[in-house]
Amino acid sequence: EPEVTQTPSHQVTQMGQEVILRCVPISNHLYFYWYRQILGQKVEFLVSFYNNEISEKSEIFDDQFSVERPDGSNFTLKIRSTKLEDSAMYFCASSEGSKSPLHFGNGTRLTVT
Amino acid sequence: KNEVEQSPQNLTAQEGEFITINCSYSVGISALHWLQQHPGGGIVSLFMLSSGKKKHGRLIATINIQEKHSSLHITASHPRDSAVYICAVLQIYSGGGADGLTFGKGTHLIIQP
Repeated sequence: EPEVTQTPSHQVTQMGQEVILRCVPISNHLYFYWYRQILGQKVEFLVSFYNNEISEKSEIFDDQFSVERPDGSNFTLKIRSTKLEDSAMYFCASSEGSKSPLHFGNGTRLTVT
Repeated sequence: KNEVEQSPQNLTAQEGEFITINCSYSVGISALHWLQQHPGGGIVSLFMLSSGKKKHGRLIATINIQEKHSSLHITASHPRDSAVYICAVLQIYSGGGADGLTFGKGTHLIIQP
């Protein structure tokens, strides 16, 4: 069964550094999402992406965040200047349609020191 | 602001018991998701529903749109069902694009042999 893949599984970075989290959505899916989960807290929506542009974003998704679909397969989340509070598990998800079931990747655990 | 409340927060039961997890939300929604998060962190979509009832194996999900309430049931529970079960809702927006989900805090379920 096709699946969403995320790399790396764990990333450690120093405060102030830029990180890029990578995702390969399921190939025929058209809608892409990033979510994050701070340890011990609930999952939070960051951004949705459709037709090569951001469709919706939350208050969390400020100017330090950006998303890109640089080619036909990858979907990336960039954090420009990481802060300690960016430490979290970041999940990528994709779906065929805007009201279709979501398929999640296994997540990237980001640790900012 | 949409609030998603789950109950109970924690549930420990014996193998074979019938399990019910509840989810209430405060605004109109177009769909509700039940998700399963394993101890390693990965998230799996169990159901997406907008009305009525769905069944998959030993799992049953129901939703009452008028009462803004959904339940997830597990019949003949097994230790491998131990996980965090998360309710997430897709709010009705006028745009109809790829909107983000609002998540509950999850229910930690432990099934003891």
